[in-house]
Amino acid sequence: EAGVAQSPRYKIIEKRQSVAFWCNPISGHATLYWYQQILGQGPKLLIQFQNNGVVDDSQLPKDRFSAERLKGVDSTLKIQPAKLEDSAVYLCASSFAAGAVYNEQFFGPGTRLTVL
Amino acid sequence: GDSVTQMEGPVTLSEEAFLTINCTYTATGYPSLFWYVQYPGEGLQLLLKATKADDKGSNKGFEATYRKETTSFHLEKGSVQVSDSAVYFCALMSGGGATNKLIFGTGTLLAVQP
Repeated sequence: EAGVAQSPRYKIIEKRQSVAFWCNPISGHATLYWYQQILGQGPKLLIQFQNNGVVDDSQLPKDRFSAERLKGVDSTLKIQPAKLEDSAVYLCASSFAAGAVYNEQFFGPGTRLTVL
Repeated sequence: GDSVTQMEGPVTLSEEAFLTINCTYTATGYPSLFWYVQYPGEGLQLLLKATKADDKGSNKGFEATYRKETTSFHLEKGSVQVSDSAVYFCALMSGGGATNKLIFGTGTLLAVQP
């Protein structure tokens, strides 16, 4: 079974530029998550989708971050404009369904973003 | 709000040594508790979990017991191997319904030397 795919794996941009990350979840997984992992910290949830609807985006900095999950499959996370403090690894995860802890979250390898 | 505190690393051990990584949590209600592992260059993987008090999660020789009275979920392994070198994250999941937000600790780097 293919895992969660993310691209690119690495990205270096200058502050005030824009950047986009792509995630392809495991086939059949209805729930998709984006986490931000700053160096030395644990991952923090940015947004959770159930199919193509947003379940939780309470920690998403909406003035600069946006995310979409068209057709309930792939997802894109965008930052515009980027700030130095956005340097982090962006992790995508998926699970079969939300609503029960038995639905394990499977994580992709992440995209490492460096903002100069 | 809910939070997880785990011991800082790095933890450096010799092969076959006993491992303990401490984890404590703060949460309202009764969260589920998890240990995730991140091997070099790879994504996070679920190592073990426990969903209620006194449950013991176990996998690959690792164990952790959900202790409600001490709000702890310490990770242990009797004999570590070089291949166990990784970053270990303690996490909790509270709430329920449609929200499955994981709250992670800061991670503990384990380095096992031959």
